[in-house]
Amino acid sequence: EIVLTQSPGTLSLSPGERATLSCRASQSVSSSYLAWYQQKPGQAPRLLIYGASSRATGIPDRFSGSGSGTDFTLTISRLEPEDFAVYYCQQYGSSHPALTFGGGTKVEIK
Amino acid sequence: EVQLLESGGGLVQPGGSLRLSCAASGFTFSSYAMSWVRQAPGKGLEWVSAISGSGGSTYYADSVKGRFTISRDNSKNTLYLQMNSLRAEDTAVYYCAKSWEIWTIAARPYDYWGQGTLVTVSS
Repeated sequence: EIVLTQSPGTLSLSPGERATLSCRASQSVSSSYLAWYQQKPGQAPRLLIYGASSRATGIPDRFSGSGSGTDFTLTISRLEPEDFAVYYCQQYGSSHPALTFGGGTKVEIK
Repeated sequence: EVQLLESGGGLVQPGGSLRLSCAASGFTFSSYAMSWVRQAPGKGLEWVSAISGSGGSTYYADSVKGRFTISRDNSKNTLYLQMNSLRAEDTAVYYCAKSWEIWTIAARPYDYWGQGTLVTVSS
């Protein structure tokens, strides 16, 4: 089972700043089957990125994903007020439907 | 527009049972695998169970195996989770989620989630 470790646990930034979130896998993630989700308080998660770097439908281009193998990054180029939330990475691709999530990174207003 | 609407959550005593439902609309329900994902208060996301589009294949996390049963009624576009022998550690918001890719039970991202239903196991 692949374990996903996200860092930092909390990121304190101001609107307009750049956010860089890390997701490290305990084993190589095949075919870059890595997704990112955003979750705001009281809401369900929302798919942001799939395939490590492809934006899901309707996701603004200030969100970008990169990486391969065991190291992946979600970058928010300029934080908007609505971007302050918790972000989770997720590994997929196995023939078994069980999905592994990272522990999350909270992006909070400084 | 895709919609997933969970119901059935509530307060239950340890050892009790509860059945969650997830009513789906806006897509061809029988063509997609569906899953349940839970989130304990203040914690992260945990995959619980998945079912193929036909309902013929089911999968469970070790933490719920033997206690929870996932099922679906494609004629009613509804997903279920029967939860028996509930424990305090099952307390969480339970989300139903739709697989992103058609016709496969393989692990894929979830492109739509319900709003969640809270299950509280406490005496």
